Amino acid sequence: EAQVTQNPRYLITVTGKKLTVTCSQNMNHEYMSWYRQDPGLGLRQIYYSMNVEVTDKGDVPEGYKVSRKEKRNFPLILESPSPNQTSLYFCASSTGGGVAFFGQGTRLTVV
Amino acid sequence: SQKIEQNSEALNIQEGKTATLTCNYTNYSPAYLQWYRQDPGRGPVFLLLIRENEKEKRKERLKVTFDTTLKQSLFHITASQPADSATYLCAPAYDYKLSFGAGTTVTVRA
Repeated sequence: EAQVTQNPRYLITVTGKKLTVTCSQNMNHEYMSWYRQDPGLGLRQIYYSMNVEVTDKGDVPEGYKVSRKEKRNFPLILESPSPNQTSLYFCASSTGGGVAFFGQGTRLTVV
Repeated sequence: SQKIEQNSEALNIQEGKTATLTCNYTNYSPAYLQWYRQDPGRGPVFLLLIRENEKEKRKERLKVTFDTTLKQSLFHITASQPADSATYLCAPAYDYKLSFGAGTTVTVRA
């Protein structure tokens, strides 16, 4: 089954404690991206990657890092989380310019 | 930067009626535009894609139109059902990058 898998689904952490949200896809897609979704603001792109070792900033990259060492994985790293990063996060993959497949989401709370 | 506006945040309609959602974008026209459905707490799911050279696209009870002159896409749900209740997102694509509107929440009353 074609899918994008994110982990964890829920995470509560404290300010400043580094965390990683994993994302994996089994569709051999070149393009992967991370979004955050906040009430009234819709989905905003954090980072995207067009292929292995190729990443670029989206609309709201501050406070986040990503890496793309393998085609199937695209982890999101928060080096020093802050409360304003409390949000619902989605990973997505697609062929370039094609339909996006989204993960189940990760609800992050930073206290 | 590109601005995407979807009509009022919420749309309440009676079962069996047609829901019409609007997506307006600024600046240059996208090569294509997609519509997604999102249920609470879940990831968006693809519904339809329409290209800039297409005027209309249909899939079962769904219809999408694309007017590059007006810089607008309309999304119609005909013969609506309570199961259609969800948030619908418009996503124009620019240089292989999708930008999402904030979405319109549709509630269909039985």
